[in-house]
Amino acid sequence: EAGVAQSPRYKIIEKRQSVAFWCNPISGHATLYWYQQILGQGPKLLIQFQNNGVVDDSQLPKDRFSAERLKGVDSTLKIQPAKLEDSAVYLCASSLVGGDSNEQFFGPGTRLTVL
Amino acid sequence: GQQLNQSPQSMFIQEGEDVSMNCTSSSIFNTWLWYKQDPGEGPVLLIALYKAGELTSNGRLTAQFGITRKDSFLNISASIPSDVGIYFCAGHLSGYALNFGKGTSLLVTP
Repeated sequence: EAGVAQSPRYKIIEKRQSVAFWCNPISGHATLYWYQQILGQGPKLLIQFQNNGVVDDSQLPKDRFSAERLKGVDSTLKIQPAKLEDSAVYLCASSLVGGDSNEQFFGPGTRLTVL
Repeated sequence: GQQLNQSPQSMFIQEGEDVSMNCTSSSIFNTWLWYKQDPGEGPVLLIALYKAGELTSNGRLTAQFGITRKDSFLNISASIPSDVGIYFCAGHLSGYALNFGKGTSLLVTP
């Protein structure tokens, strides 16, 4: 069974530029999560989708971050404009059961460096 | 979210030694999970615990869900070099996001 796919694996941009990350979850997984992992920290949830609806985006900095999952399968996360403090690994995860599911499977992440 | 305190922050041990790490919370959780993250990869689920007092093993790994529902520990027996990585605890409470600790970095020397 294929795991969670993410691209790109690495991205270097200058501050104030825009960037987008893509995630394809495990087939059949209804719930998709985007996390931000700053160096030396555990992952922090940015947004959770169930199918194509947003379940939780309370920690998403909505002035610059946006995410969509239009067809309920793959998802994109965008940052516009980027700030230095956005440098982090952005992890996508998916789970089989929606709502309170906690057995999440993570992708390899996209490492973003903002200069 | 709830504050999770994971300790120790790092461990440097010799191959064959046993390892113990723990996680405490200021509030209760319904589920405790332990993940391992290798460099350049996402976290991988090791053990999930669903009931207070539950003790679960996965090979050389053993984890327990504390009776107060505010803590959990992970033991690794007879460590080997491939155990190197960062171990994260995560707590889950219904209706809330998964809450991760800051991780325990494990180094194993041959």
